[in-house]
Amino acid sequence: SQTIHQWPATLVQPVGSPLSLECTVEGTSNPNLYWYRQAAGRGLQLLFYSIGIDQISSEVPQNLSASRPQDRQFILSSKKLLLSDSGFYLCAWSVQQNDEQYFGPGTRLTVT
Amino acid sequence: AQSVAQPEDQVNVAEGNPLTVKCTYSVSGNPYLFWYVQYPNRGLQFLLKYITGDNLVKGSYGFEAEFNKSQTSFHLKKPSALVSDSALYFCAVRPPLNDYKLSFGAGTTVTVRA
Repeated sequence: SQTIHQWPATLVQPVGSPLSLECTVEGTSNPNLYWYRQAAGRGLQLLFYSIGIDQISSEVPQNLSASRPQDRQFILSSKKLLLSDSGFYLCAWSVQQNDEQYFGPGTRLTVT
Repeated sequence: AQSVAQPEDQVNVAEGNPLTVKCTYSVSGNPYLFWYVQYPNRGLQFLLKYITGDNLVKGSYGFEAEFNKSQTSFHLKKPSALVSDSALYFCAVRPPLNDYKLSFGAGTTVTVRA
């Protein structure tokens, strides 16, 4: 069966520090991968999606970037965090674009 | 562009009563529609989807949803709610053909009281 991992589960970082959140998927090959941010426990905002290695699309201009160094690994990064980067970050995967997405457990990021 | 509306921020029901969570959508073409549930500090869990076929879709944990094209709605229902159904529910839509973007509604908090 497929599983998705995210780490760390929680993170407290000062403003201006770098960020690296990691997501890995097991049990499937060539998944579509997604990064979302959820603010205030409500709606989800799609940040990045990737249909393959070196194929990453950004949905909104922001202080974040994404990379996919391996087929089943998706990394969310920032060089300098802003207070507004605080939130709950969710990674997700899907088999094909018309299939449901499966979400990881999330990372709670607090920028102080 | 596609969009989803969940008109109710909160839904409160007594255990054993029917539960309905409303969702309406706007999309070009035939939509792909999804429902997810989120428990506190957890990721979203997939409940059910409508792609094509029967308008009544059955999903996990006894939930079902009815696709209504004329009303552009996809309401989530459960005949008899449980206290454990208390959670945040999201409706999502994406247009067909080569678009990876799911648009999520703002979410509806469901509280089932014993």
